[in-house]
Amino acid sequence: AQTVTQSQPEMSVQEAETVTLSCTYDTSESDYYLFWYKQPPSRQMILVIRQEAYKQQNATENRFSVNFQKAAKSFSLKISDSQLGDAAMYFCAYRRRNTDKLIFGTGTRLQVFP
Amino acid sequence: DAMVIQNPRYQVTQFGKPVTLSCSQTLNHNVMYWYQQKSSQAPKLLFHYYDKDFNNEADTPDNFQSRRPNTSFCFLDIRSPGLGDAAMYLCATSTRGAMRGYTFGSGTRLTVV
Repeated sequence: AQTVTQSQPEMSVQEAETVTLSCTYDTSESDYYLFWYKQPPSRQMILVIRQEAYKQQNATENRFSVNFQKAAKSFSLKISDSQLGDAAMYFCAYRRRNTDKLIFGTGTRLQVFP
Repeated sequence: DAMVIQNPRYQVTQFGKPVTLSCSQTLNHNVMYWYQQKSSQAPKLLFHYYDKDFNNEADTPDNFQSRRPNTSFCFLDIRSPGLGDAAMYLCATSTRGAMRGYTFGSGTRLTVV
C-alpha cells in the first residue's frame, strides 16, 4: 500500500526567508502524481504545486518549487521569500495514475514570523 | 467561477440525531469525494463516487452514508452522530484520469452536542 510521510509536524520561518518542507512516500508504482496542498486556518484547502512522476524536471510555481527525487521517493517543497500569508498547514499527497484516490501525509504546520 | 460549495459551513447536531451535509459543484467533475478531517490531522477518505458508482473505504463506519442524485450534488448522511464524529468534513471533486489534483470545498465543521 502506498504511504506518505511528513516528518516535520511544525516548521517556522522568518518573513522573506526560505523554508523547505519534507515529504517521502512509499510506492511500487512508476507512474503517479505528487501534490502539495495548503490549508490556511479555517479556510479552504488549495493546490500549491503538482509533479508528474515521469517528468524529471522539478515543478515551479512562482515562489514555490519542489525537489523531486524519484529514486529516493522524496518530494520536498521549497518556499522562497516567505510571506505572512504562507502560514498554514501543508499536506503532501500522492495519487497513482488512473486512480481516483489521493493519499495524504500527516501535514506540516508552517509558522511565518515577521 | 466554477467551484465546490459546501453547506452549511457550521453544523451543530445532537448526539444520535441524523444529520446531512451537502456539497455541490459547477465543475462538471465526474468524481466526488467526502473526507473527514479531525483537528490538525490529515484528511481521511470516507468514500467517493465515480459518476454514480459508489466506492466505500473499508474502514468507514456504517454510520456514514452518501448519496449522489446527479453530477452536481453529493450528500453525506450521518445516521446517528456520536461525539467522535465531530470533525471538519471536506468535499472534493476531480476528473478521473486528469493529472490535476482535487478541488476542495470550504468544508463543514460538525459539532455534536
